[in-house]
Amino acid sequence: QVQLVQSGAEVKKPGASVKVSCKASGYTFTSYDINWVRQATGQGLEWMGWMNPNSGNTGYAQKFQGRVTMTRNTSISTAYMELSSLRSEDTAVYYCAREGGWFDPWGQGTLVTVSS
Amino acid sequence: EIVMTQSPATLSVSPGERATLSCRASQSVSSNLAWYQQKPGQAPRLLIYGASTRATGIPARFSGSGSGTEFTLTISSLQSEDFAVYYCQQYNNWPQYTFGQGTKLEIK
Repeated sequence: QVQLVQSGAEVKKPGASVKVSCKASGYTFTSYDINWVRQATGQGLEWMGWMNPNSGNTGYAQKFQGRVTMTRNTSISTAYMELSSLRSEDTAVYYCAREGGWFDPWGQGTLVTVSS
Repeated sequence: EIVMTQSPATLSVSPGERATLSCRASQSVSSNLAWYQQKPGQAPRLLIYGASTRATGIPARFSGSGSGTEFTLTISSLQSEDFAVYYCQQYNNWPQYTFGQGTKLEIK
């Protein structure tokens, strides 16, 4: 079955960077864009950006421009999201999702905690 | 940016009753609208895409309607497992996708 499996929880200090992975299985990795969405505790869903695994092309929400980088390794069907200059407000669960317009399926989420 | 506004923020309904959730877009998104269900501690799950097409495995009690700027998600007879938070998402404005703020469906 189509599945996205994300890396485990991370704890980072303010100013550091975090890199979250998202491993795809059950379909051709290069055939669908991967999007990243985050959710702070008790809050709604916030779209961060997209990546085309075939071309490597990316697009980011303006809020994250300059701080986020989305990459991939097609040999292992894995997408990555790196967020730099972390601050406390970046504490959230980060999700990857396969996109065909709509998002389906989603990864299980990765909790990133930013704390000194 | 297209702003998606959901109402109400919280909806209290008894099991077995019908629930109607609304989503409004700040400009037309045609039928490029999806609905998701999210339970505590879980990732969102796709319910509806194309405004009215149920995703694979979604029960028939879930239905979506609307186009342009006004959309509705209806759950015809609420089951205990349906109490969750529901989000709408527009994907018309590629690749700048936006979500509504969510509607919490709670047991009355």
